[in-house]
Amino acid sequence: LAKTTQPISMDSYEGQEVNITCSHNNIATNDYITWYQQFPSQGPRFIIQGYKTKVTNEVASLFIPADRKSSTLSLPRVSLSDTAVYYCLVGALSGGYNKLIFGAGTRLAVHP
Amino acid sequence: GAGVSQSPSNKVTEKGKDVELRCDPISGHTALYWYRQRLGQGLEFLIYFQGNSAPDKSGLPSDRFSAERTGESVSTLTIQRTQQEDSAVYLCASSFAGGKLFFGSGTQLSVL
Repeated sequence: LAKTTQPISMDSYEGQEVNITCSHNNIATNDYITWYQQFPSQGPRFIIQGYKTKVTNEVASLFIPADRKSSTLSLPRVSLSDTAVYYCLVGALSGGYNKLIFGAGTRLAVHP
Repeated sequence: GAGVSQSPSNKVTEKGKDVELRCDPISGHTALYWYRQRLGQGLEFLIYFQGNSAPDKSGLPSDRFSAERTGESVSTLTIQRTQQEDSAVYLCASSFAGGKLFFGSGTQLSVL
């Protein structure tokens, strides 16, 4: 099972771009990379998912280098409401056994 | 409902009592996960159900913990003889064939 490593915490200011990097050196060929966001007193919610290169949606971008041993979640122009814990997860996208283990996550604090 | 539903949302119990936590996954989702989250901590994997396969119980912390799932429907997590260290938020998530996870709002368990 691919283990993930992320920074424990990050600080930013409103309007800045935030990049959170996750290491997953043992990622398997059929593993996808998924990022989740968790606010206090809520369950995590899906942000973005990718396999390689770059994925962008209305919320974030995900950059994955060719060796796929790491990934970077990019949040453009953060606001106070982006203060949350961000989790990186690797696992197979479809079929078969897929036990999903969360790492400790990154606590992002956005300041005025 | 459209999302994952967990009940009760809050449960206060006395040490030594048994508790049952319920999870109603999204209809059609073959995979169901239980996680535990202590205050200020990350998500701790407990158990994983995938279709009709035998569940992966490798994360259950002791034999006081057990879980069942009826087909691809409701799941119950049972904690017998509760201890104070069992106090946490218990989160349930479901997905279709190991893809994107959808979380419930969790059950806050307090053992006095």
